[in-house]
Amino acid sequence: DSGVTQTPKHLITATGQRVTLRCSPRSGDLSVYWYQQSLDQGLQFLIQYYNGEERAKGNILERFSAQQFPDLHSELNLSSLELGDSALYFCASSVKGGTADTQYFGPGTRLTVL
Amino acid sequence: GQQLNQSPQSMFIQEGEDVSMNCTSSSIFNTWLWYKQDPGEGPVLLIALYKAGELTSNGRLTAQFGITRKDSFLNISASIPSDVGIYFCAGLEEYNNNDMRFGAGTRLTVKP
Repeated sequence: DSGVTQTPKHLITATGQRVTLRCSPRSGDLSVYWYQQSLDQGLQFLIQYYNGEERAKGNILERFSAQQFPDLHSELNLSSLELGDSALYFCASSVKGGTADTQYFGPGTRLTVL
Repeated sequence: GQQLNQSPQSMFIQEGEDVSMNCTSSSIFNTWLWYKQDPGEGPVLLIALYKAGELTSNGRLTAQFGITRKDSFLNISASIPSDVGIYFCAGLEEYNNNDMRFGAGTRLTVKP
């Protein structure tokens, strides 16, 4: 158990819908990262937050957005969902979010878009 | 974004055999990490490397940070059935350390 929690574990929805994925980092970690893992793409970095502020952006679509709240939990919002958005979405956390910081991953949310 | 080149893509070995996999990049990295992912679970950190030439062990696992800073290796000795899973390398580029790069993974199957 990494100490990172994600909810829900599974999510099934239809195209065009909007969903929110939630992540709670390890106790004491200030930085949260979001990743997408699909069968043909491997792990893709989406976005990083540090202490409530966006720190880095990766391959995140404009239809996706995220935020980190004062209690440090984070939410990833996915809107206008398409079939290709079906994937595992992982959240990871680290202490400071710096270059030598190790990330610890949550168990993931499996999103299925029908 | 650009991914790391990880090989091999998959391996089928007998229990007790040693395993070796590697990751390469065209740019210099200052951090290399190796993760293992079990089916339906998130990646779990195995070994972290922060210095060129560094050799670090974690039980039967040994990883090295390449001297050129463009590659890393993971070795598993005397494999057992629970070693089955997908192994990912990850790293931070020296001049673009805002996001972690990942390899595509090596899927390991161990036959009892």
